[in-house]
Amino acid sequence: NAGVTQTPKFQVLKTGQSMTLQCAQDMNHEYMSWYRQDPGMGLRLIHYSVGAGITDQGEVPNGYNVSRSTTEDFPLRLLSAAPSQTSVYFCASSTGQGETEAFFGQGTRLTVV
Amino acid sequence: GEDVEQSLFLSVREGDSSVINCTYTDSSSTYLYWYKQEPGAGLQLLTYIFSNMDMKQDQRLTVLLNKKDKHLSLRIADTQTGDSAIYFCAVPALYQTGANNLFFGTGTRLTVIP
Repeated sequence: NAGVTQTPKFQVLKTGQSMTLQCAQDMNHEYMSWYRQDPGMGLRLIHYSVGAGITDQGEVPNGYNVSRSTTEDFPLRLLSAAPSQTSVYFCASSTGQGETEAFFGQGTRLTVV
Repeated sequence: GEDVEQSLFLSVREGDSSVINCTYTDSSSTYLYWYKQEPGAGLQLLTYIFSNMDMKQDQRLTVLLNKKDKHLSLRIADTQTGDSAIYFCAVPALYQTGANNLFFGTGTRLTVIP
């Protein structure tokens, strides 16, 4: 199993550009989430989904959009990139039941100049 | 939202025990997690504890939970150089029982000195 796959691994954007960070999982997990990791701040939840067609905002949703058209995919869109969005982005998936483990992708390092 | 606090750095000598501490604010958390992040990699679940337990031991790892003080700790016995990583404490969002919607601490960077 590939687990959780994120693409790209690295990206440099200019301020104002848009892009989509891809996330796919092959474990048939209902729950998927996007986090950003910043130095000294741990990981913060951006958006999450409890199943296909259902998404909701996390702790820091501003500037990001998501959709969940299939169980497997959960893309994160930056509509107009800002330097404050320079971060490492992680996608995670889980069954969402009880103590189950959240599986993380390898991360996407995004720099906005 | 939940506040999860950790110290940022810890250095220990190889063979010593490491203790990483975490405090949180939401007393309804049912499961509390420890994740490990190696350089350039994503997070991997290290261990977890259910909130009705005081202690959980798993080989070199011991998790202690003090619900009254909302304090969680991770002890690594006989720390090895391969244990050098960032360790995150994580608790589910309020009223959530699953592993989604986690609140993470700032992470503690453990450095093991040979």
